[in-house]
Amino acid sequence: AQKITQTQPGMFVQEKEAVTLDCTYDTSDPSYGLFWYKQPSSGEMIFLIYQGSYDQQNATEGRYSLNFQKARKSANLVISASQLGDSAMYFCAMREGQGNYGQNFVFGPGTRLSVLP
Amino acid sequence: SAVISQKPSRDICQRGTSLTIQCQVDSQVTMMFWYRQQPGQSLTLIATANQGSEATYESGFVIDKFPISRPNLTFSTLTVSNMSPEDSSIYLCSVAGSRNQPQHFGDGTRLSIL
Repeated sequence: AQKITQTQPGMFVQEKEAVTLDCTYDTSDPSYGLFWYKQPSSGEMIFLIYQGSYDQQNATEGRYSLNFQKARKSANLVISASQLGDSAMYFCAMREGQGNYGQNFVFGPGTRLSVLP
Repeated sequence: SAVISQKPSRDICQRGTSLTIQCQVDSQVTMMFWYRQQPGQSLTLIATANQGSEATYESGFVIDKFPISRPNLTFSTLTVSNMSPEDSSIYLCSVAGSRNQPQHFGDGTRLSIL
């Protein structure tokens, strides 16, 4: 079964508008972390934002915020005031459990965001 | 966060040849990871590179095809052996932070096999 689901293969947003990228996850572990990465066409993976399962508040980092709904197991990324440079693939990822191991770090299929001028 | 240098950044190779990708970290790390990203796909973990021991491979990946070295706590290599067009992918190395920290990635190696 998919551990991370991103239901939007592609999204379009007008420059300066806000956009929400969906992410739902599946885990029975009470301790987990959720991450969002941006991958421009050049290929590097850029870390954007982190949300821990025990965090009481939604994470924010500049124009990025995470709408964390634990009961629904969703962790949607909100990008405010979109810029042309935000056009990229966006991956939601989850790390389960207490360990630091890559085996417990899974990525979703990604959403391609295109920002229109 | 760790600074990770990966090279080459891209290469075009002939079928049947091998290519070694290098990953250098600016600090000592216990674990390094190698991922493959096929065109239009998400990231798939190939193996975990442990210093001083054999790498741990994920299902579907074997040492003969993807030998890994980890001679010290700041360096690792991944070799893609006997390449075929199906190996055309982006290969990324990463390091793990503490439990609440993200994995940090090198810039990736974009590999095309003719």
